[in-house]
Amino acid sequence: AQSVTQPDIHITVSEGASLELRCNYSYGATPYLFWYVQSPGQGLQLLLKYFSGDTLVQGIKGFEAEFKRSQSSFNLRKPSVHWSDAAEYFCAVGVDSWGKLQFGAGTQVVVTP
Amino acid sequence: NAGVTQTPKFQVLKTGQSMTLQCAQDMNHEYMSWYRQDPGMGLRLIHYSVGAGITDQGEVPNGYNVSRSTTEDFPLRLLSAAPSQTSVYFCASTPGMGNYGYTFGSGTRLTVV
Repeated sequence: AQSVTQPDIHITVSEGASLELRCNYSYGATPYLFWYVQSPGQGLQLLLKYFSGDTLVQGIKGFEAEFKRSQSSFNLRKPSVHWSDAAEYFCAVGVDSWGKLQFGAGTQVVVTP
Repeated sequence: NAGVTQTPKFQVLKTGQSMTLQCAQDMNHEYMSWYRQDPGMGLRLIHYSVGAGITDQGEVPNGYNVSRSTTEDFPLRLLSAAPSQTSVYFCASTPGMGNYGYTFGSGTRLTVV
């Protein structure tokens, strides 16, 4: 069955430290891959996306993600987090030509001083 | 440019009542979707549309109806609300499937008592 897994439900990181959020997917072909961020009480904002080409993609707010086909992973990284990065992060996969997205369960990021 | 607009932002319904969640976008996007967000489950697709007059079911369609008479609007109807439909609902749109990503509305928080 098709699936998107975010293994970490909750991550706490110190301000200025690096952050890595994991995402694994299970699909037959290389899908479209996305990372979204949701601040409290807000909708989802697209951070970055991968379709093809260079496996390291840059996004907004200093985030980047790396697609690894052999590991079916699309992990999100940021070298130095800011307090404003505290939010919930969702990995999503576009699974067909009709525009359907399948989301992971999300990772809640807490940033401590 | 307003993007994706959802109304209302908050709603409390009694079991058995009906209501329509409104969604409008001004970006001339062909693809529109409705998701519900529940704690620990990420976002799950309810219904989607790939253009005016074309809709289809997503992962959790039971209890919800949609129609798409114009490119701009994609309302979600609850015919007989149940407590299990208590959730946060998001509408999203995209120009088409591919390397675009979805633009999300700010959500409707629905409570069914």
